[in-house]
Amino acid sequence: GIQVEQSPPDLILQEGANSTLRCNFSDSVNNLQWFHQNPWGQLINLFYIPSGTKQNGRLSATTVATERYSLLYISSSQTTDSGVYFCALRGYSGAGSYQLTFGKGTKLSVIP
Amino acid sequence: DAGVTQSPTHLIKTRGQQVTLRCSPISGHKSVSWYQQVLGQGPQFIFQYYEKEERGRGNFPDRFSARQFPNYSSELNVNALLLGDSALYLCASSLRDRGNSPLHFGNGTRLTVT
Repeated sequence: GIQVEQSPPDLILQEGANSTLRCNFSDSVNNLQWFHQNPWGQLINLFYIPSGTKQNGRLSATTVATERYSLLYISSSQTTDSGVYFCALRGYSGAGSYQLTFGKGTKLSVIP
Repeated sequence: DAGVTQSPTHLIKTRGQQVTLRCSPISGHKSVSWYQQVLGQGPQFIFQYYEKEERGRGNFPDRFSARQFPNYSSELNVNALLLGDSALYLCASSLRDRGNSPLHFGNGTRLTVT
């Protein structure tokens, strides 16, 4: 199956700092998503980005499918950015099923 | 438009009992998937349904079952609960069953088995 590796596993930032989260994957995919899971467990869509670059406010993401990696950039971090960031890829797993495979996540803590 | 809705939000059960979790997809979405997330890990795939048919099943025992109704809502059933079934259960919907369709998650049902 698809292997998804995220780095770093943990990250502590001072409020206002910038950061880059990385996601490496093992196989070609046609769906890559970044999620933010807040401390209450809500899994929030950040980006659907199988290739290219997208920006949404202070967040942006880039996926280089040919080199099998994706990057999530967070600029001017705020305490509300704290939580776990997941990269997930949807690939064909047989018998008509397209399941989402998650990495282990990057736990981000933004301190005031 | 309403997002994916799940009920109940929290549930406490005893070992050996049975539980039913419910999910309503985003309007117009025909594919529903279920995921289990234990503490400290990423969500793990349990089931995918599309147009009321099971399209895929993850590595979970037969105690786990699901179904999708004509209105595309879904139920996840877990029989003979074990302590290890304690987790956050997430439901996701997508427009299509194909890989190029993003998933949207509900807020989850937190199940505690004592």
